[in-house]
Amino acid sequence: NAGVTQTPKFQVLKTGQSMTLQCAQDMNHNSMYWYRQDPGMGLRLIYYSASEGTTDKGEVPNGYNVSRLNKREFSLRLESAAPSQTSVYFCASIRRVQGRTDTQYFGPGTRLTVL
Amino acid sequence: AQSVTQLDSQVPVFEEAPVELRCNYSSSVSVYLFWYVQYPNQGLQLLLKYLSGSTLVKGINGFEAEFNKSQTSFHLRKPSVHISDTAEYFCAVSDIVGQGAQKLVFGQGTRLTINP
Repeated sequence: NAGVTQTPKFQVLKTGQSMTLQCAQDMNHNSMYWYRQDPGMGLRLIYYSASEGTTDKGEVPNGYNVSRLNKREFSLRLESAAPSQTSVYFCASIRRVQGRTDTQYFGPGTRLTVL
Repeated sequence: AQSVTQLDSQVPVFEEAPVELRCNYSSSVSVYLFWYVQYPNQGLQLLLKYLSGSTLVKGINGFEAEFNKSQTSFHLRKPSVHISDTAEYFCAVSDIVGQGAQKLVFGQGTRLTINP
């Protein structure tokens, strides 16, 4: 049981390049999330997927796209990277139960630098 | 929308001293609160959570937090810290968004540094 896994761990891009961050969970969770972490700002939600087949914008979606490939996998794509997207990206997942809240589990993060 | 304020960005403490990390949230009818810890170069790990019931919540590694509805606070405490507690700590409140999904709103984080 690996929990939430993310690839790659580190990435350096040039401005304008594209890339996809991968996330997978093996806990049979319904909902998945992408956050970015910047110094002094905590974690901010980029996109989330409440269940397989659905995605919605979070707090800071501009410049990103997502795909919920299946129940296990949720990818984040940067179409044209900008220096402002230099950050640490975390994927998270949760078992969604109607009318109840539960714990979000986080992956180890991807450290992205855009030059 | 919910919001969370962590009142201290950095807290230096000597080993074996007590510590309190402060967290205030915006009020709501129902509130679910979490504390997460992030060790250097790692992801976030749940320390403890308040969903309902007793206002004093005990978590891992000897941490506890008290939910205070009248003061809209959820402060984290430990009576005696260890060098290994050096980390960044995040307070978060749960908000329900589209399609019933749970969204976490995080505070800015508090960097706890334990000095020998």
